[in-house]
Amino acid sequence: AQKITQTQPGMFVQEKEAVTLDCTYDTSDQSYGLFWYKQPSSGEMIFLIYQGSYDEQNATEGRYSLNFQKARKSANLVISASQLGDSAMYFCAMRVLNAGNNRKLIWGLGTSLAVNP
Amino acid sequence: DTEVTQTPKHLVMGMTNKKSLKCEQHMGHRAMYWYKQKAKKPPELMFVYSYEKLSINESVPSRFSPECPNSSLLNLHLHALQPEDSALYLCASSQDGQGAKELLFGSGTQLSVL
Repeated sequence: AQKITQTQPGMFVQEKEAVTLDCTYDTSDQSYGLFWYKQPSSGEMIFLIYQGSYDEQNATEGRYSLNFQKARKSANLVISASQLGDSAMYFCAMRVLNAGNNRKLIWGLGTSLAVNP
Repeated sequence: DTEVTQTPKHLVMGMTNKKSLKCEQHMGHRAMYWYKQKAKKPPELMFVYSYEKLSINESVPSRFSPECPNSSLLNLHLHALQPEDSALYLCASSQDGQGAKELLFGSGTQLSVL
């Protein structure tokens, strides 16, 4: 079964500290993509970072990095130097090929991150 | 222009009303998507248009009717909705429907059905 698991419903972090949000995935596809999105209370879904299954190096985008461990099927998001504006819901998602040969995203249930001043 | 624009931002409608949600992008993306999201839940895919043709319909009730007039526009026509259809409706686009790296989302339409 194709599945994304985010085991942390809620996380707290102190401002300026680093935080890791966990994501594990399950797929039998050889080619897949892993995404992280941020959704503030305003509702917009903001793309943060992408990792392809064949990418050998961990993806980085500014303060965001993706710790990709293929053998463990994990794709954790690391946010360095947390800011108050990082408080939001974070979703991990996986792009897979469905039965109709179309690509679609499988989503995790999300992690709510609160950054404390 | 690197945005997906959705209008309106908020919509309140009665169960007998007909309304439409609009989505627009000018990034040359050839795939566009409608998602429905309930509070504190992940988005649920409703429809995908790829090169202006409907490629995925996730068994959505017929009271939701998508339309893609051209490659930049995506509409969602609403008719005879139920209170349980109240949700955030997100539009997204990607370079294509097959191998695009990421979906870019609009800010959504918060829909309330009374």
